[in-house]
Amino acid sequence: QVQLVQSGAELKTPGASLKVSCKASGYTFSTYGFSWVRQAPGQGLEWMGWISSYNGNTNYAEKFQGRVTMTTDTPTTTAYMELRSLISDDTAVYYCARDRDYFDYWGQGTLVIVSS
Amino acid sequence: SALTQPASVSGSPGQSITISCTGSSSDVGNYKLLSWYQQHPDKAPKLIIYEVNKRPSGVSNRFSGSKSGNTASLTISGLQAEDEADYYCCSYGGLSTWVFGGGTKLTVL
Repeated sequence: QVQLVQSGAELKTPGASLKVSCKASGYTFSTYGFSWVRQAPGQGLEWMGWISSYNGNTNYAEKFQGRVTMTTDTPTTTAYMELRSLISDDTAVYYCARDRDYFDYWGQGTLVIVSS
Repeated sequence: SALTQPASVSGSPGQSITISCTGSSSDVGNYKLLSWYQQHPDKAPKLIIYEVNKRPSGVSNRFSGSKSGNTASLTISGLQAEDEADYYCCSYGGLSTWVFGGGTKLTVL
């Protein structure tokens, strides 16, 4: 069965960087890309960007361009999302989702708290 | 910008409700790549409708989707207590981007 398992919760200070991992299993990794979606406390879902697992092509939401990098590692079937220059507004649950032009499988979410 | 959904809807068990999702000709009105997600508290979202009106395997046929112009709709028939959750629409926005709705809280009375 398809599973996406994300790394654990993190506490970060303002200005730091964050890297969340998302390990995929149960399907051929390179067949589908990943989108990353975040959800601030009590707020809605926000799409951050997409990466192709086939060739590494990316597309980031304008809001995050210059501050986010998404990568994949095929041998370990893992996707990564790095967000730099963190501010308190980046406090959120971050999700990876398998992207088939819809998000059919989601990771369990990674809580990131940005606080001094 | 985010798609527009009502903040909340409610219904009694057994009734039907509809949640709207309004975008523009640049997103909802221009593509069939419109999906809906159900999210229970402290859980990851779950896909319930994709490509406007298709249901993934295992999703109840009480959930249905449609679209007209720039507005998509999710209908839940035969409301059950377990349907109480937040619902989000999501549309392709062109140039490999996606946009979510603000979310709708469904209360089953």
